[in-house]
Amino acid sequence: AQSVTQLGSHVSVSEGALVLLRCNYSSSVPPYLFWYVQYPNQGLQLLLKYTSAATLVKGINGFEAEFKKSETSFHLTKPSAHMSDAAEYFCAVGRDDKIIFGKGTRLHILP
Amino acid sequence: SAVISQKPSRDICQRGTSLTIQCQVDSQVTMMFWYRQQPGQSLTLIATANQGSEATYESGFVIDKFPISRPNLTFSTLTVSNMSPEDSSIYLCSVRYRLAGVNEQFFGPGTRLTVL
Repeated sequence: AQSVTQLGSHVSVSEGALVLLRCNYSSSVPPYLFWYVQYPNQGLQLLLKYTSAATLVKGINGFEAEFKKSETSFHLTKPSAHMSDAAEYFCAVGRDDKIIFGKGTRLHILP
Repeated sequence: SAVISQKPSRDICQRGTSLTIQCQVDSQVTMMFWYRQQPGQSLTLIATANQGSEATYESGFVIDKFPISRPNLTFSTLTVSNMSPEDSSIYLCSVRYRLAGVNEQFFGPGTRLTVL
């Protein structure tokens, strides 16, 4: 069975600081991995996805994630946080049939 | 990407009543999904709604409680029946496209339901 675990339901970083949101996956086969963002009162938006083409995946809004098979991780990073990055972030794993979401991490940006 | 709209965007309903949520997509898609996001929780898949076949429900969800229609390739409805306060959630419609050999999934803005 496939699943994802997001470490930390809330993460706070100062504006301009590094953003690191952690995600570990469990999958018996090479997975497709995704990061979605949900801004307040909005639907989900795809940030980036891993499809085995490259281990370092660049997404929108300056975010990127690195697939590390040895660590079964797919952590999301951004070098410099902006106030507009405050949102809920979901890691997800999927194959052909369905996508399974993690519990989410709410990112708070401190001025 | 797909443009997905949902109606209503939010509603407040009384216990015991039913609400039908509509999902409209701007292009034809085979696979549509309905998710629930309870307060402070992640997304849980309710069912897969493919055109031309019965919806497939996930464990813990049944057709009598969440009947789904999929009359064509651009539209679906989810009904939340005989509502109770535990049904207060955001309900999201989602569609899947295959782009460059990879399944990519898009989400609607959600319907925020409060049951009193």
